[in-house]
Amino acid sequence: AQKITQTQPGMFVQEKEAVTLDCTYDTSDPSYGLFWYKQPSSGEMIFLIYQGSYDQQNATEGRYSLNFQKARKSANLVISASQLGDSAMYFCAMREAPYNTDKLIFGTGTRLQVFP
Amino acid sequence: DGGITQSPKYLFRKEGQNVTLSCEQNLNHDAMYWYRQDPGQGLRLIYYSQIVNDFQKGDIAEGYSVSREKKESFPLTVTSAQKNPTAFYLCASSPRTVGRYGYTFGSGTRLTVV
Repeated sequence: AQKITQTQPGMFVQEKEAVTLDCTYDTSDPSYGLFWYKQPSSGEMIFLIYQGSYDQQNATEGRYSLNFQKARKSANLVISASQLGDSAMYFCAMREAPYNTDKLIFGTGTRLQVFP
Repeated sequence: DGGITQSPKYLFRKEGQNVTLSCEQNLNHDAMYWYRQDPGQGLRLIYYSQIVNDFQKGDIAEGYSVSREKKESFPLTVTSAQKNPTAFYLCASSPRTVGRYGYTFGSGTRLTVV
């Protein structure tokens, strides 16, 4: 069965420093997609970044980048130059095989706290 | 602006009552989803629908029911059979095939049993 694992329940980082949030996944399908979402205390889920399994380069979106190591089945989120507003829950998700029902499965999340 | 609207934001239920959470989208998305979020457990799928008048159970469907009579609407009913309904509920939508932008989420409903 497909699975997403986030092993860091909580992380602390000082403002302006970089931080890496870990995500590993398990799938036997060669075609898949990986997503990162941010959830502030208000509750809404904000899409951050996407990596397709066939993408040749690691995804980047502004201060967010994805360290995609396909052989290790990891898709870690790197946030550069952390800001106080980055304090939130972060979820890694994977799109299940398209021949099934094309839905996302989520990890348990990492709570990131940025301090001055 | 297109988006998903969930209402109410906060909901209180007495034990033994059914309650219905509303989810409406104007994104013209075919697929809609309901997730439950508990601390430390991430998001768990309750029900999803890929087309009007059709829906499938997710991983934790017991004690919940849904309907999809219109493309824009996917209400979730939490029945009295759900033994521990206190949680944060998120509704989402997507095109039939989830693309590079994943889901669009609503802002959630926090349900508390009193």
